[in-house]
Amino acid sequence: DVKVTQSSRYLVKRTGEKVFLECVQDMDHENMFWYRQDPGLGLRLIYFSYDVKMKEKGDIPEGYSVSREKKERFSLILESASTNQTSMYLCASRIRPGLTYGYTFGSGTRLTVV
Amino acid sequence: GQSLEQPSEVTAVEGAIVQINCTYQTSGFYGLSWYQQHDGGAPTFLSYNGLDGLEETGRFSSFLSRSDSYGYLLLQELQMKDSASYFCAVPNTDKLIFGTGTRLQVFP
Repeated sequence: DVKVTQSSRYLVKRTGEKVFLECVQDMDHENMFWYRQDPGLGLRLIYFSYDVKMKEKGDIPEGYSVSREKKERFSLILESASTNQTSMYLCASRIRPGLTYGYTFGSGTRLTVV
Repeated sequence: GQSLEQPSEVTAVEGAIVQINCTYQTSGFYGLSWYQQHDGGAPTFLSYNGLDGLEETGRFSSFLSRSDSYGYLLLQELQMKDSASYFCAVPNTDKLIFGTGTRLQVFP
């Protein structure tokens, strides 16, 4: 069974901390994505990656960075966490090219910044 | 820019049929996808329409009209386990743009 695994289900961090969210997929997918999900706003794309060491900004990249050193791993970094980054973070991957554009999502990391 | 509109909430009873609509505005169009997400869970891919018409997968069907920039997800023979949020999404090159989601509540 294919999987996207996010390292933490729940995280509580303090304002100003550097936060790492890890995502690993076992499907040899080229494309990986980080979204955040907030009530009433749906899923918004933060960053995505076409391949190793490649990254592209999504719609809301401010305050975030990413790292993709290996194909299976895509990390989201909050350089200096703020309370407005409290959210559910979802990682996804997709084979490229994907005719049906079907993403496989991880179970999410609920981050609370206090 | 791109935007997708869905109703925020829909309610129905077990055994009924419900339709969740999605209208979109995109600069280019490559198809419409639907995802289901249960509370606390990950979104899961349901369907994709690249061409006009109806795609059926068991109790779920998805419809697309490109000329109307409109699609819908049809759920038949509703079950309690169908209570979830449903998102439409459109691809923009290699990324997906999601709607804000429709929360479906199924009552006994």
